[in-house]
Amino acid sequence: SQKIEQNSEALNIQEGKTATLTCNYTNYSPAYLQWYRQDPGRGPVFLLLIRENEKEKRKERLKVTFDTTLKQSLFHITASQPADSATYLCALDNYGQNFVFGPGTRLSVLP
Amino acid sequence: EPEVTQTPSHQVTQMGQEVILRCVPISNHLYFYWYRQILGQKVEFLVSFYNNEISEKSEIFDDQFSVERPDGSNFTLKIRSTKLEDSAMYFCASSASLKTSDTQYFGPGTRLTVL
Repeated sequence: SQKIEQNSEALNIQEGKTATLTCNYTNYSPAYLQWYRQDPGRGPVFLLLIRENEKEKRKERLKVTFDTTLKQSLFHITASQPADSATYLCALDNYGQNFVFGPGTRLSVLP
Repeated sequence: EPEVTQTPSHQVTQMGQEVILRCVPISNHLYFYWYRQILGQKVEFLVSFYNNEISEKSEIFDDQFSVERPDGSNFTLKIRSTKLEDSAMYFCASSASLKTSDTQYFGPGTRLTVL
């Protein structure tokens, strides 16, 4: 069956450290993968998109990798700040028709 | 920066009643979507809409749901006879194209509570 998993439901790290979030999928062949940020009671906010032929994408303190062999994407936030505390969602392209979201990882950056 | 807006922010209704959730997508976008998120669960795709018709819908989007673009700016989701399990956050999104390589911009959501 198709499945999207994101590492631990919650992740706590110290301010200034690098947060690494994982997204693993089974029985999908996404051409694109997106990462979103969601704050409590709010809609998802797009952060980054990476294509299947791209290994890595960066935007400011954010970095995303995409390994189609491992069926995994890693999302890194360097020099993390308390303001980065939120739930981070990965979303897979579902055969070009829509996106399927993972369950999310709740990140807490502790001062 | 342009944004997607949704009204109301919170809707409380009795089971069996009809509700209409409203969205104003970004003005130059042509593709519109509805998602829902049950409390503590993942965001789930409901339906996509383009050129006044449904492009795609999920298994969740059954006959009790309908969408409409009644004028040039609004996009609505109607739930005909609400059930307790319809309680969720409903998010509207829009994009410039239907390609999944294009960014979808989400609204703030409507929290629907069915009693």
